[in-house]
Amino acid sequence: TQLLEQSPQFLSIQEGENLTVYCNSSSVFSSLQWYRQEPGEGPVLLVTVVTGGEVKKLKRLTFQFGDARKDSSLHITAAQPGDTGLYLCAGVRGNQFYFGTGTSLTVIP
Amino acid sequence: DTGVSQDPRHKITKRGQNVTFRCDPISEHNRLYWYRQTLGQGPEFLTYFQNEAQLEKSRLLSDRFSAERPKGSFSTLEIQRTEQGDSAMYLCASSLGSGDEQYFGPGTRLTVT
Repeated sequence: TQLLEQSPQFLSIQEGENLTVYCNSSSVFSSLQWYRQEPGEGPVLLVTVVTGGEVKKLKRLTFQFGDARKDSSLHITAAQPGDTGLYLCAGVRGNQFYFGTGTSLTVIP
Repeated sequence: DTGVSQDPRHKITKRGQNVTFRCDPISEHNRLYWYRQTLGQGPEFLTYFQNEAQLEKSRLLSDRFSAERPKGSFSTLEIQRTEQGDSAMYLCASSLGSGDEQYFGPGTRLTVT
């Protein structure tokens, strides 16, 4: 069992649409990271959020860390085919990284 | 290329055989992590090293699994008497220190037949 649950598990949208991915847990984390993984490759870090309520923007991606540091969301505006991939959240506690179940995003041109 | 490398990229083996994977981290990185990822799931932590010391092991790491980092540089992960349930992607990551960004390798995909 994984500490972090992501929803939705699969998402298929048209180019130009907006979407939000959720990452939820009952556990508190010192920080939370979001990664994107493409087939046959390892995950690549997108962002780290540390403070409860923190919001970070990376171009069309907006990341938010919950006030209680138990959950996070990733919002993508005007999705593009290049956004296609597996999005993973990872909570950091101590020396361990606890990955979420993943959200597989497909953006159709 | 100065990223994390893993070898082999793919391994097919018969049940009961032993396999060994290698990970070469980014050269100045002190921390090295091993994860296992099955299809449709996120990576699951297996173990990590601080230099040559193995500091933490997950309960997922049964006694058939052993990892080493003898000189604090590359690491090996060995699975003895492989089972079909061991089929997965094995990912290695390295970081400069605690809490720093992890850089992942491309993974070794293991298929046990």
